[in-house]
Amino acid sequence: GNSVTQMEGPVTLSEEAFLTINCTYTATGYPSLFWYVQYPGEGLQLLLKATKADDKGSNKGFEATYRKETTSFHLEKGSVQVSDSAVYFCAHYFKAAGNKLTFGGGTRVLVKP
Amino acid sequence: DGGITQSPKYLFRKEGQNVTLSCEQNLNHDAMYWYRQDPGQGLRLIYYSQIVNDFQKGDIAEGYSVSREKKESFPLTVTSAQKNPTAFYLCASNRENEQFFGPGTRLTVL
Repeated sequence: GNSVTQMEGPVTLSEEAFLTINCTYTATGYPSLFWYVQYPGEGLQLLLKATKADDKGSNKGFEATYRKETTSFHLEKGSVQVSDSAVYFCAHYFKAAGNKLTFGGGTRVLVKP
Repeated sequence: DGGITQSPKYLFRKEGQNVTLSCEQNLNHDAMYWYRQDPGQGLRLIYYSQIVNDFQKGDIAEGYSVSREKKESFPLTVTSAQKNPTAFYLCASNRENEQFFGPGTRLTVL
């Protein structure tokens, strides 16, 4: 079936550290891939996306590359800030599956000053 | 500004009561979704609607009901049959392959 697996948190980092959150997926075909971010008490915001193999999504210093060969979409940021503290969700989307997103379980990131 | 609004932000209800959560969008999107989020967990799909007057059950539809009489509105009713309704509820709409989320409603059953 279709699923998304991401590393469990919490991930605790110091400011300016390098952040990686692993995400892998299973899918019959080639879905579009997304990272969403959720700040405390809020809804989800789209952080970045990639719609085909080898695409790189980027936004606010975050990057993720669609790797078909490893079915992965790992999120990275070179130098995190306290304001990056949030929960990050990896997701994939199949139009053929009823226009539904399948989410990973979320990874809480805490950046300390 | 275009977007999705959910009201109220916080909602309290007594056990055994039905309650309706509002979701409105002015993005002219056909598809709309309801998700439930429990503390420290991901999102689970309750119901979705791809077009007016049509909706489908998601993964955890039991104890919930929806309607889609207008394109802009997709209210969710949490019925007394839902055994553990305390959660954060998120509404979303879809354009092509991207979903846009509302700010959420936190429901607490007392």
